[in-house]
Amino acid sequence: AQKVTQAQTEISVVEKEDVTLDCVYETRDTTYYLFWYKQPPSGELVFLIRRNSFDEQNEISGRYSWNFQKSTSSFNFTITASQVVDSAVYFCALSVKTSGSRLTFGEGTQLTVNP
Amino acid sequence: DAGVTQSPTHLIKTRGQQVTLRCSPKSGHDTVSWYQQALGQGPQFIFQYYEEEERQRGNFPDRFSGHQFPNYSSELNVNALLLGDSALYLCASSLDPSTSSYNEQFFGPGTRLTVL
Repeated sequence: AQKVTQAQTEISVVEKEDVTLDCVYETRDTTYYLFWYKQPPSGELVFLIRRNSFDEQNEISGRYSWNFQKSTSSFNFTITASQVVDSAVYFCALSVKTSGSRLTFGEGTQLTVNP
Repeated sequence: DAGVTQSPTHLIKTRGQQVTLRCSPKSGHDTVSWYQQALGQGPQFIFQYYEEEERQRGNFPDRFSGHQFPNYSSELNVNALLLGDSALYLCASSLDPSTSSYNEQFFGPGTRLTVL
């Protein structure tokens, strides 16, 4: 069985601060995919990134960056110079190749960026 | 190119009633998955449909059933509603992941069901 843990339930920062959202996953499969989704108050899940288990290269996209470490089963997400528009619930998710595209989500982290 | 659409947006039902939620996948997608997201929690996988058949199922009772039509659209049916069924129901579409490398799932805006 797969499991995703997001230990931070809520995080509150002041605009322009950097913030890191933690994600730890569990799986026995060797081929898997990790995701981050953003869920604004409207409810729709917005895809941010996908990484596969064979690619540990960190990625940067504008103010967003991701750190994938198989040794610690972690896939952390950092927002640099946070903005009020970043306020949302962020979900980390896991999918294993043997289960098709079925996603296992963490409980989410509510990020509030204050002006 | 229309994304994933769901209807209705909101729904209020009473305990014991039955409800049907609808989903139209993104153009070109043939696989539809349904998720239940209770307040303050992450989405939980209900089931997945491909070629009009249920291919995978999560840990949900038989009160939850579904259907996929030849045009790939899908319905989620919930019978004998309980208060605990109140949640946001999300539909996601993708290409058949068994045919190639992982295909991203695109999510719809969801249907918010309230059971009184």
